[in-house]
Amino acid sequence: EVQLVESGGGLVQPGRSLRLSCAASGFTFDDYAMHWVRQAPGKGLEWVAGINWNSGIIDYADSVKGRFSISRDNAKNSLYLEMNSLRVEDMALYYCTKDRAATLHGGMDVWGQGTTVTVSS
Amino acid sequence: DIQMTQSPSSLSASVGDRVTITCQASQDISYYLNWYQQRPGKAPKVLIYDASNLKTGVPSRFSGSGSGTDFTFTISSLQPEDIATYYCQHYDNLPFTFGGGTKVAIK
Repeated sequence: EVQLVESGGGLVQPGRSLRLSCAASGFTFDDYAMHWVRQAPGKGLEWVAGINWNSGIIDYADSVKGRFSISRDNAKNSLYLEMNSLRVEDMALYYCTKDRAATLHGGMDVWGQGTTVTVSS
Repeated sequence: DIQMTQSPSSLSASVGDRVTITCQASQDISYYLNWYQQRPGKAPKVLIYDASNLKTGVPSRFSGSGSGTDFTFTISSLQPEDIATYYCQHYDNLPFTFGGGTKVAIK
C-alpha cells in the first residue's frame, strides 16, 4: 500500500524554526518527485514546494521562498521541509504529496494525512 | 504565475442531480490539470488527472473535460457521499496553483 506519513508539526513561536518529515512506503521513492502542500484553517490548498527525483530541480511558492527548504533522502525514503523565520500566516496543516512523475510534471496522486503547524506566541 | 479561477465557490443540489464545476486557467496549460475531492476532515484525493482521465477506482459518475484554459468537472448523479470540497490544480509549470475550491452540499 502506498503511504505517506508526516511528522514534526507542533506549536512554535513566530520567528522560530521547525522541520517536517515525511516517511514514504509502498512505492519506489526515488522514481518520483515530491511536494509539500499546506492548508490554513478553513482555507483552500496552497502548493508550498516541490523537488524532483534526484533533488536537481527544486522550487518554492513566493510566500515561503528564502525561508523554507525542501530536501529528500532517497536512501531513507524520506522527504523534509525545513521552515525558518516562521510567521503567523504559515500556520496550517502541511501535507506531503507524491507526484505522478519523476520530473515535477505529473500532478499529485498520493497525499499523506498531514501534520499541523501552529505559529503563536 | 498561472491563476486558476474556479466556479462556483459553493453549490447545493439534490441527490441524483448533475453537478458541474468549471475551472479557468489564466494561460494555456494544455491538459495538465487535476481535480481533487476533499471530504470534511480528510486529506484531498485525486479523482481526475490530465484533465479527463479517471483515476482507477473512482466511480464513473465523476468526469472531467477541457484543454487549454477552460476545464469542466462533472458529477453525473450526485450521491450523499459526494459531499466535499472540490479543487482543480494545474501542473503545467512551477509554481503549481489550485483553484479556490467548490463546496458541494446536498439540498
